[in-house]
Parts: sequence; C-alpha cells; structure tokens
Amino acid sequence: DAKTTQPTSMDCAEGRAANLPCNHSTISGNEYVYWYRQIHSQGPQYIIHGLKNNETNEMASLIITEDRKSSTLILPHATLRDTAVYYCIVTETSGSRLTFGEGTQLTVNP
Amino acid sequence: DAGVIQSPRHEVTEMGQEVTLRCKPISGHDYLFWYRQTMMRGLELLIYFNNNVPIDDSGMPEDRFSAKMPNASFSTLKIQPSEPRDSAVYFCASSFRGVTQYFGPGTRLLVL
Repeated sequence: DAKTTQPTSMDCAEGRAANLPCNHSTISGNEYVYWYRQIHSQGPQYIIHGLKNNETNEMASLIITEDRKSSTLILPHATLRDTAVYYCIVTETSGSRLTFGEGTQLTVNP
Repeated sequence: DAGVIQSPRHEVTEMGQEVTLRCKPISGHDYLFWYRQTMMRGLELLIYFNNNVPIDDSGMPEDRFSAKMPNASFSTLKIQPSEPRDSAVYFCASSFRGVTQYFGPGTRLLVL
C-alpha cells in the first residue's frame, strides 16, 4: 500500500469548515483513498473513500487531485464532537489491509 | 444492527495467565479483523479472516497469540501466557467483501 503523509495536528473553530490534507504521491491506479477517524477511547470510524472522483456523504466531502497524489477531507461545519484523530489510508480495492499511520489530531475549539 | 460486539470491554490479569478476547461481527459480513493499539506502535493489524478462514496472520506478534473463527458470528483472540507488554486496546472489525471496515468498541487489556 502507498504511504501517506498527514500533518500531526490541526485546529478548527466550531462551525467552520475543517480541511484535512493528505499526501499520497506513490498511489497506484487501483488504490483507493480511505478516511477513518478515532474519537478518544473509541474504535475507528469509517468516514468516506474514493478512487479519483470527488465524493460526498452525510459526514464529509473528499477532494482528490487530478493526479491523485493528494487529497483533502472536508468537514463542512465542524462541531466539538468532530475532535478526533483522522487517518488517511491508501489501499487496494479489497481494502483487506488497512495500515494506520499517525493521523492528524483535529481539535475543534468553541 | 448492533454493530461489532466485543467482550470483555476491560480485562485486568496477571502475567502468565491466559486471556481470551471475543468478537461478534456484523451479521452478513464475511471479513473479520483483529487489531491492537498501543501508544508506542499505534494501530496495527494482527490477523484477518475471510469466510472464517485465516488469510493473513503476519501481524501476530508471536506464538503466544492465537486467533480462531469457528463460525461466521464469533471469533476469539487468545494470549497464553500473557505478559505486561501485551497491555493494549484490542479492536475487532468486520466488513463485507473486505471493503469498508466497521470497528467494535475495543477491549482494554492490562497485564500486571
């Protein structure tokens, strides 16, 4: 699986959009970009995934650059409950192996 | 659906004792995964099953660890004998066709 690079930490004001970047310059053609998050003391939670098109669901939007070497997870209106570690993972279609890196600690401030 | 169910939620044991962690995957899911999370090593995959068959156990740390999946609705992760360095949070996850994984709440293990 391709390696990903994320900032260690980010802050966001409540009600504002949170934009979390991820670099995956070695991604291959059959690899998807997945985002999970882990709220303190809980199991990781699936957020969204995509191949090359932008994706949106009830939780977030995923923007993937045209060359697929980077992506951005967007939480449109961050709340205090969105404070968590966000993991960007690149994996093949089957998704059988998820390799979690350090992730980004997002802190939403009131 | 109730989601992935793990038991016990907390376990405190003494070094040398046998520990058994249990997992009930989401009904209809055909993949089951066991992960371990520590401060030092982060979240790491130990083993995963497809249709109750172990596919990749390369993450299992050593022979003291074993995992079984006797049927589609139950899996165990056993540590025998346990050591203090096994203290961690152990997560079970399941998925359908190996795509999106859904995680359980975890078992917090402390080995004294």
